[in-house]
Amino acid sequence: KNQVEQSPQSLIILEGKNCTLQCNYTVSPFSNLRWYKQDTGRGPVSLTIMTFSENTKSNGRYTATLDADTKQSSLHITASQLSDSASYICVVSAGNQGGKLIFGQGTELSVKP
Amino acid sequence: DTEVTQTPKHLVMGMTNKKSLKCEQHMGHRAMYWYKQKAKKPPELMFVYSYEKLSINESVPSRFSPECPNSSLLNLHLHALQPEDSALYLCASSQGELMNTEAFFGQGTRLTVV
Repeated sequence: KNQVEQSPQSLIILEGKNCTLQCNYTVSPFSNLRWYKQDTGRGPVSLTIMTFSENTKSNGRYTATLDADTKQSSLHITASQLSDSASYICVVSAGNQGGKLIFGQGTELSVKP
Repeated sequence: DTEVTQTPKHLVMGMTNKKSLKCEQHMGHRAMYWYKQKAKKPPELMFVYSYEKLSINESVPSRFSPECPNSSLLNLHLHALQPEDSALYLCASSQGELMNTEAFFGQGTRLTVV
C-alpha cells in the first residue's frame, strides 16, 4: 500500500533555532518527492521537489534531503522565524496513475518568540 | 504568473442550495485538480481533468459535479450537500502529469454546509 509517514506529528521550537522534519514513504513506483508548507486555512505552497537522482535541494532557509535507497526524506529549517509556523507536508508522486500525489499527515510546526 | 485563483474564499450554504466553486489559472497548465481537505488532515483528491477531459474521479458522490469549460477554468458544482461536506476545497494545476511537473495550489474555498 502506498503510504507516506511523517514525524514528529507536531513540534514547538524557539525563534532562531533549527529543526528537522522526517518523512518515510512506501510509494511504488516512485516518481518524485515534494515538501509543501501550508498555513492554516490556506493552500499548500511548494518548497522543494526532488527526483530519484537528487539527494539535496535547498530553497532559502529550507533544505530537503532524499535517500531513495532507504525511502526517507528530511526537511531542515535553519534559523526559524515566526512566519515558519505552519503545517509541513511531505508528498510523494507515484510513477503511475499520471503521478498521483500521496500526502503525508503533515508536521505542525510552531515557532515561539 | 504562478497563481491559481479560487472564488469565493468562503461559502456558507444550506443543504438544499445549489452553488459553484470556481478555479482559474493562466499558466497554460493542461491538468487541473479538485481536492477536499478536512481540518488537520491532508488533502484528498476528488477529480482530475487532463486536457479538459475528466480523467480521474475518486468515487466522489454525485452531489459534487465538476466542469472544465476551457483549459483555464475549473468549476465544482454543489447540490444537496451534507454538513459533513464542510471542508476546505482546494484547486490545483500542473503543466502535465504529476510525475514530472510542479503542482500549484489555490488558496482554497472554505465551505460550510448548514
